Amino acid sequence: DGGITQSPKYLFRKEGQNVTLSCEQNLNHDAMYWYRQDPGQGLRLIYYSQIVNDFQKGDIAEGYSVSREKKESFPLTVTSAQKNPTAFYLCASSSTSGVTGANVLTFGAGSRLTVL
Amino acid sequence: DAKTTQPNSMESNEEEPVHLPCNHSTISGTDYIHWYRQLPSQGPEYVIHGLTSNVNNRMASLAIAEDRKSSTLILHRATLRDAAVYYCILRINTDKLIFGTGTRLQVFP
Repeated sequence: DGGITQSPKYLFRKEGQNVTLSCEQNLNHDAMYWYRQDPGQGLRLIYYSQIVNDFQKGDIAEGYSVSREKKESFPLTVTSAQKNPTAFYLCASSSTSGVTGANVLTFGAGSRLTVL
Repeated sequence: DAKTTQPNSMESNEEEPVHLPCNHSTISGTDYIHWYRQLPSQGPEYVIHGLTSNVNNRMASLAIAEDRKSSTLILHRATLRDAAVYYCILRINTDKLIFGTGTRLQVFP
């Protein structure tokens, strides 16, 4: 079945360590996104990519980095510069064909990062 | 950026219809209205979307006001599995998918 796979589901990190969250999709989607969700809050956009080897900052990109070397993969690195990294991280993808506004996002199951 | 306003929470009894409202008074002509829902500790799930006309699918119906400044997600018969946070979102460009805090729907047996 087509979908988005995020790993790991749970991750613990010590302060000062970088961690990388994996996101893989087999939906043949061009666009991929990373969102952060804090308890009781909506989703905030970290980074997005509309095509391989290109990505743009979202609203809260500071302390994060991404790469898009393959269409299927969009890993997110949470660096030590991110002051409050404990959160639920969600990866999503969508097609870019047709009318942009009509394209639907498909989300992964999320990765929960806890900084100890 | 266009924003949406939803009630923080709503309640329903099982097998009753549920009408979840959303205001988007600053919507522009090309903005699509999307609805997603999120179960605890899961990623959001697409529910329905529309532009001007009312829409129906197997999950729900979307009623869009004539002036497009508001919309209503309709669950025809709520089940316990429909308990979730429902997000009303305006999809403008590829990047501009702005999530608010949504409406937490509780369904009672």
